[in-house]
Amino acid sequence: GAVVSQHPSRVICKSGTSVKIECRSLDFQATTMFWYRQFPKQSLMLMATSNEGSKATYEQGVEKDKFLINHASLTLSTLTVTSAHPEDSSFYICSAPTQGFIGNSPLHFGNGTRLTVT
Amino acid sequence: DQQVKQNSPSLSVQEGRISILNCDYTNSMFDYFLWYKKYPAEGPTFLISISSIKDKNEDGRFTVFLNKSAKHLSLHIVPSQPGDSAVYFCAASPGGTSYGKLTFGQGTILTVHP
Repeated sequence: GAVVSQHPSRVICKSGTSVKIECRSLDFQATTMFWYRQFPKQSLMLMATSNEGSKATYEQGVEKDKFLINHASLTLSTLTVTSAHPEDSSFYICSAPTQGFIGNSPLHFGNGTRLTVT
Repeated sequence: DQQVKQNSPSLSVQEGRISILNCDYTNSMFDYFLWYKKYPAEGPTFLISISSIKDKNEDGRFTVFLNKSAKHLSLHIVPSQPGDSAVYFCAASPGGTSYGKLTFGQGTILTVHP
């Protein structure tokens, strides 16, 4: 069964509004979660690392003020796309290691969120 | 700069035969490699992984081979089944505290014909 739950699976919003995406680890604690984005017919690209109790770290070229990340608890990370524009339309996916960084545990992904900005 | 490459965008295989998916990487700092299977509008599903200290890892029908000197890895699926049809991504990680920072290849669409 799924070990990482992501919600919502699909969202359509108007340009200028903000959208919040939740990522939850099920039955395990995740001090770190990762947010990826996939544009059509492209690969998954790492956006940022979400750290429980501290600020997120962003990959080069990702605007931290636009993509707000909050790691509220050991089982929940949220990604808020602020002032969304049509070019933000994409597939957003989170992942979490089930055993931290010990033993190269499998990295499980959520089912993703399809964001469409009109 | 594509650090992880899957040069075959697609692969077509007959049911029961072997599927071989290939992946090349350029960054020698990668320490851990993973294969994922993905359907449209879904998150990737973990299949199998291999550490850089190994050259082979097997799990059921799936075997991953790693050739560090050539910076090449491959995923073998034997026997292939129609349900294996999906997009397959290889991913690489620097390991350590950056373990979760995966760099993905472009993906290979595998089609297994009955």
